[in-house]
Amino acid sequence: DAGITQSPRYKITETGRQVTLMCHQTWSHSYMFWYRQDLGHGLRLIYYSAAADITDKGEVPDGYVVSRSKTENFPLTLESATRSQTSVYFCASGQFSEAFFGQGTRLTVV
Amino acid sequence: GDSVTQMEGPVTLSEEAFLTINCTYTATGYPSLFWYVQYPGEGLQLLLKATKADDKGSNKGFEATYRKETTSFHLEKGSVQVSDSAVYFCALSRPNFGNEKLTFGTGTRLTIIP
Repeated sequence: DAGITQSPRYKITETGRQVTLMCHQTWSHSYMFWYRQDLGHGLRLIYYSAAADITDKGEVPDGYVVSRSKTENFPLTLESATRSQTSVYFCASGQFSEAFFGQGTRLTVV
Repeated sequence: GDSVTQMEGPVTLSEEAFLTINCTYTATGYPSLFWYVQYPGEGLQLLLKATKADDKGSNKGFEATYRKETTSFHLEKGSVQVSDSAVYFCALSRPNFGNEKLTFGTGTRLTIIP
């Protein structure tokens, strides 16, 4: 199916563990983004990518790592999860200034 | 840096009421402006956009006009329905600077009562 998919939809992890959130798009959009959504903050950009092998920091990149070896995939890794990283994470892809969002991953760090 | 400020919610209206959600922005140059909507349990969807001053974006009965002089992009709808209950986000990007990342406001939760 065409679109953008995130996995998993829900994840509970322990403090200090590494966790990777997956994002896959089928449109071949050049841009991909990771946002986190927290009450009172709206959506804040973590990292984005303009093309394969090109990534850049957003507003809140600390504690996160991304890679983009293929145009269609843009995984987000929390190297050592902290409780402050409990959030809903949204991946998006886009071009010509229109972004298409996945359904989100709700991550809880305990 | 770029920023978007939108009216705080929550906003509760009766069905068929008139809706306005205010949005102002700070950005250099001429950004593109957007309204995205998030229905419960879902990701964001583009509702409408405007790419230059005085443009009016419209979709599903919603409208917003790009006002450069007041740096605003207020969302309006003449008669809301229960199905419009959602969170609405104002956003901007600056594609003319070769950067399509979106900067969002904090969102406004809208609830429509039958």
